[in-house]
Amino acid sequence: KQEVTQIPAALSVPEGENLVLNCSFTDSAIYNLQWFRQDPGKGLTSLLLIQSSQREQTSGRLNASLDKSSGRSTLYIAASQPGDSATYLCAPSSNTNAGKSTFGDGTTLTVKP
Amino acid sequence: EAQVTQNPRYLITVTGKKLTVTCSQNMNHEYMSWYRQDPGLGLRQIYYSMNVEVTDKGDVPEGYKVSRKEKRNFPLILESPSPNQTSLYFCASSFKVPGQGVSPLHFGNGTRLTVT
Repeated sequence: KQEVTQIPAALSVPEGENLVLNCSFTDSAIYNLQWFRQDPGKGLTSLLLIQSSQREQTSGRLNASLDKSSGRSTLYIAASQPGDSATYLCAPSSNTNAGKSTFGDGTTLTVKP
Repeated sequence: EAQVTQNPRYLITVTGKKLTVTCSQNMNHEYMSWYRQDPGLGLRQIYYSMNVEVTDKGDVPEGYKVSRKEKRNFPLILESPSPNQTSLYFCASSFKVPGQGVSPLHFGNGTRLTVT
């Protein structure tokens, strides 16, 4: 059974800092991995989707990397802003049991002005 | 506007009273899924559907039922709700089945259910 761990659980940084969020997973048989953002009381918004054959995916100030063999993904946020404050979750999708996604518990990020 | 719509947003009910949470998407998505989110336990998958009339269990299906009679709708049914089903529920959909195709998951805004 896939297990997903996100470290740290919470992170507080001053505005402008670059930061890295970590996601590790136990089963490397994945098809892709998504990073999501969740604001309090809201649903999840997909930020980046990285395929298992890719090493990196970028969108604006966000960069996601994937090392499938070691079961790790990172989300890099450049020049953080207070509006980036949210919970970030990662979710690898199984390629042996299509339809199943397992989510990490998330990292709650606070960016202070 | 492309969206996943859940209703109701908030629901308070009593133990044993059957309820249905509706989920509808207007994007012609093939795949739909239900999750519950609990503090300390994260987001867990309840049921998913890879197409019309095709449903399968997620990690925590006990006490829930689903149906997928049309592509756009995927209701979650609690036949006899219990207090341990108090949670925040999310419906999601995507164009392709995760694990078979590359398309992001779109989430609804959630339904906060309280069972007393």
